[in-house]
Amino acid sequence: DTGVSQDPRHKITKRGQNVTFRCDPISEHNRLYWYRQTLGQGPEFLTYFQNEAQLEKSRLLSDRFSAERPKGSFSTLEIQRTEQGDSAMYLCASSLSRPANTGELFFGEGSRLTVL
Amino acid sequence: DQQVKQNSPSLSVQEGRISILNCDYTNSMFDYFLWYKKYPAEGPTFLISISSIKDKNEDGRFTVFLNKSAKHLSLHIVPSQPGDSAVYFCAATESRNYGQNFVFGPGTRLSVLP
Repeated sequence: DTGVSQDPRHKITKRGQNVTFRCDPISEHNRLYWYRQTLGQGPEFLTYFQNEAQLEKSRLLSDRFSAERPKGSFSTLEIQRTEQGDSAMYLCASSLSRPANTGELFFGEGSRLTVL
Repeated sequence: DQQVKQNSPSLSVQEGRISILNCDYTNSMFDYFLWYKKYPAEGPTFLISISSIKDKNEDGRFTVFLNKSAKHLSLHIVPSQPGDSAVYFCAATESRNYGQNFVFGPGTRLSVLP
């Protein structure tokens, strides 16, 4: 399988605990994105990497959220001191660094977070 | 403030007929638009896109129309098939934006009835 993979697929945690999600993009893709999706909404942009550099962060990404892509390959998204409002599907996507008028993102299946 | 709107949460169409999914946007800086399809328990998959220099793009059964003056786009599926039943997201971006921050609409659930 050469698509975007995410782990774990589902995480249930208690409020106040820390959680970490991992994303492995398509190997030749140098751009990596994190999105969050809640019920009845479309994906909301969280952050974006070009290789190992985090180039853009949404204001949705509070201080409790941190994302890394240390070697320009896989990425992790950590949420500290989880709150019930963090319950959502966390989607990772990757793409090649193309001219903007192609713009196709390849999404993983997502990591669903449930905060009790 | 929703910059990309899909005002129909759901749509039901008979197999073989045309499905028309609509999308409106408010940000006049958006110049590239995409449609994604999502099945349950899967991530969204790219369907078709259109640049603001065009008003129509066609790919097989799927055609996207863009009306820049109305800030409106639509996805036409002809003929509709049961396998097209999914949630469809409209997305938009400013191509000058280095990060290509894609803004997604809330989605429309399409049900194609046999």
